[in-house]
Amino acid sequence: AQTVTQSQPEMSVQEAETVTLSCTYDTSESDYYLFWYKQPPSRQMILVIRQEAYKQQNATENRFSVNFQKAAKSFSLKISDSQLGDAAMYFCAVERGGADGLTFGKGTHLIIQP
Amino acid sequence: EAGVAQSPRYKIIEKRQSVAFWCNPISGHATLYWYQQILGQGPKLLIQFQNNGVVDDSQLPKDRFSAERLKGVDSTLKIQPAKLEDSAVYLCASSSTGASAEAFFGQGTRLTVV
Repeated sequence: AQTVTQSQPEMSVQEAETVTLSCTYDTSESDYYLFWYKQPPSRQMILVIRQEAYKQQNATENRFSVNFQKAAKSFSLKISDSQLGDAAMYFCAVERGGADGLTFGKGTHLIIQP
Repeated sequence: EAGVAQSPRYKIIEKRQSVAFWCNPISGHATLYWYQQILGQGPKLLIQFQNNGVVDDSQLPKDRFSAERLKGVDSTLKIQPAKLEDSAVYLCASSSTGASAEAFFGQGTRLTVV
């Protein structure tokens, strides 16, 4: 079984600043993938960034980057130059290799202060 | 490219009634997922289809929940009879075949059982 823990129910950041969302996970699989999804009030989950566990290099997507610490089973998301449109729920998720379903954490509510 | 379509967007029913949700995945996506998202939690996988076959339904409460994917395209999720604790958002997602293939989500159906 896989578990995902997001210890920050809510985070607040000033517009244009940088914020880091924390995530730890547990899995017995050697082949797995990690994801961050964004869920705005419209409820539609949107993929932000993904990381293959076998890759040592941290994934980046424009203003979004991750800090993947495999030994510590930690997968944090850094958002640089925060924008008002970044306000949403953010979910960390793990997928066992082989196109299985996702196991999600409880989410972090990100508030952007103008 | 059209996204994942779900209907209805909202549904209110009384406990012990039955309800059905419909999902039309992205054209060509072989894998379809149903997730249950209770308020304040991350989505939980209920069932995963590969074409019209079930890959994983280990978390589906089979005494009251059923799902089918006829012809490997559209899918319906049914609850009969509904309980108060079934109040949640039901999300459908689809992906192409392959490990870490991005899952695209619909906007979900918000079910309220009173």
